[in-house]
Amino acid sequence: DAKTTQPTSMDCAEGRAANLPCNHSTISGNEYVYWYRQIHSQGPQYIIHGLKNNETNEMASLIITEDRKSSTLILPHATLRDTAVYYCIVRLYNNNDMRFGAGTRLTVKP
Amino acid sequence: DGGITQSPKYLFRKEGQNVTLSCEQNLNHDAMYWYRQDPGQGLRLIYYSQIVNDFQKGDIAEGYSVSREKKESFPLTVTSAQKNPTAFYLCASYREPGNTIYFGEGSWLTVV
Repeated sequence: DAKTTQPTSMDCAEGRAANLPCNHSTISGNEYVYWYRQIHSQGPQYIIHGLKNNETNEMASLIITEDRKSSTLILPHATLRDTAVYYCIVRLYNNNDMRFGAGTRLTVKP
Repeated sequence: DGGITQSPKYLFRKEGQNVTLSCEQNLNHDAMYWYRQDPGQGLRLIYYSQIVNDFQKGDIAEGYSVSREKKESFPLTVTSAQKNPTAFYLCASYREPGNTIYFGEGSWLTVV
C-alpha cells in the first residue's frame, strides 16, 4: 500500500506562495495523488488531484515529480483563510481504499 | 441538492452503550467510508465499502461495526468494545469516474 509522508506543520506569510510537500515513494503507476484540506472540524475539502502531469485549478497547482515519488501543492497567494490541515493521499490500485495521514498544519500569518 | 447527510451532529452516550451513527448519500456513489478524528489529529480510516453488502476494515476497525444493505446508506455502530469512543466521526463517499471523494459534515460523539 502506498503511504504518504508530510511535514507536521508549516508557516507561510500572507500573500506569499505556500508550497506543501508530500512524499509517496511507493506509489504505483495507476495511483492518483489527491490533496484535501480541513478547516477546523469540518469535513475535508477537495483541492486537486493528478496522476502524472502537473495540474492547476482555481485553488492551487499540483506539481508531481517525474518519478512520481513526491509532489508539491502550491497555493500561489496564500490568505489567512488558507490556514488549515492539508492532506496528501494516494488512491490505492484497483480498490477504493482511501487513507489519510496526519497531514500538514499550514498557518498563514499576516 | 445531492450530498451526504450524517446524523446526529452531536451525540452523548453513557459508557458501555452501543451507538449508531447514520450516513446517507443521494449521490449514487458506490464507495462509502467512515473516518475517526481525535482532537489535533488526522483522519483514520475505520471501515469502507466498495459496493452493497461488502465492506473492509480500515486501520482502526476494532470496536466498530458497519452494514451496507443499501447503496445510499452506510451506518456505523460504535460498540461497547471500543475503549475510547469519544471523537469526531466523518462519513464520505466516492465515485468513478471523477476521482472525487465527498464528505459529510461529521458527527461528534461524546461518551461519559
